[in-house]
Amino acid sequence: SQTIHQWPATLVQPVGSPLSLECTVEGTSNPNLYWYRQAAGRGLQLLFYSVGIGQISSEVPQNLSASRPQDRQFILSSKKLLLSDSGFYLCAWSVRARWWLDYTFGSGTRLTVV
Amino acid sequence: GDSVTQMEGPVTLSEEAFLTINCTYTATGYPSLFWYVQYPGEGLQLLLKATKADDKGSNKGFEATYRKETTSFHLEKGSVQVSDSAVYFCALLTQGGSEKLVFGKGTKLTVNP
Repeated sequence: SQTIHQWPATLVQPVGSPLSLECTVEGTSNPNLYWYRQAAGRGLQLLFYSVGIGQISSEVPQNLSASRPQDRQFILSSKKLLLSDSGFYLCAWSVRARWWLDYTFGSGTRLTVV
Repeated sequence: GDSVTQMEGPVTLSEEAFLTINCTYTATGYPSLFWYVQYPGEGLQLLLKATKADDKGSNKGFEATYRKETTSFHLEKGSVQVSDSAVYFCALLTQGGSEKLVFGKGTKLTVNP
């Protein structure tokens, strides 16, 4: 079956520290991969998406970066966290089936920068 | 660009009340439309979807109809339960190779017994 793993579930990090959030997908090949963020009091915003290994598109300028070292692995990183990086981060994948597009979200990582 | 506007709430209802959460969209062409639900402390779950005009998506007693003429996809439920308390997001799928979801800001629903 198709699953998506995202960890850690919660994270508290000091300002200026680095960040690495990992997302892996099982049961599918060549998915599109996405990182979304839900900031307090705001909706979901797409940060990055990837259509293949090493291919990253950024949707908004920010303090974060993303990488896709393997087909089913998507990593969100920062060299120095800011307070404004706090939020709920969701990884997602999409694969186009014959008549429909499967779009699945991970369980999310709640990041608090202190 | 593509965008989604939904009623922000919060919405507080009594059990068995009727629910409507409004959602309108702006997009090029005719995107697929979705409602996602986020229960407390959890990620997003797909609630229902519609892929073309006049389609009605339904699940768990919730319904939404894709209205092209009003560019709307309002979520309704005839009788809400306490377990429906969650944040509801309206979204559209952009057309093209990247297939990105564009979300509304979410509506927090609280149902009291």
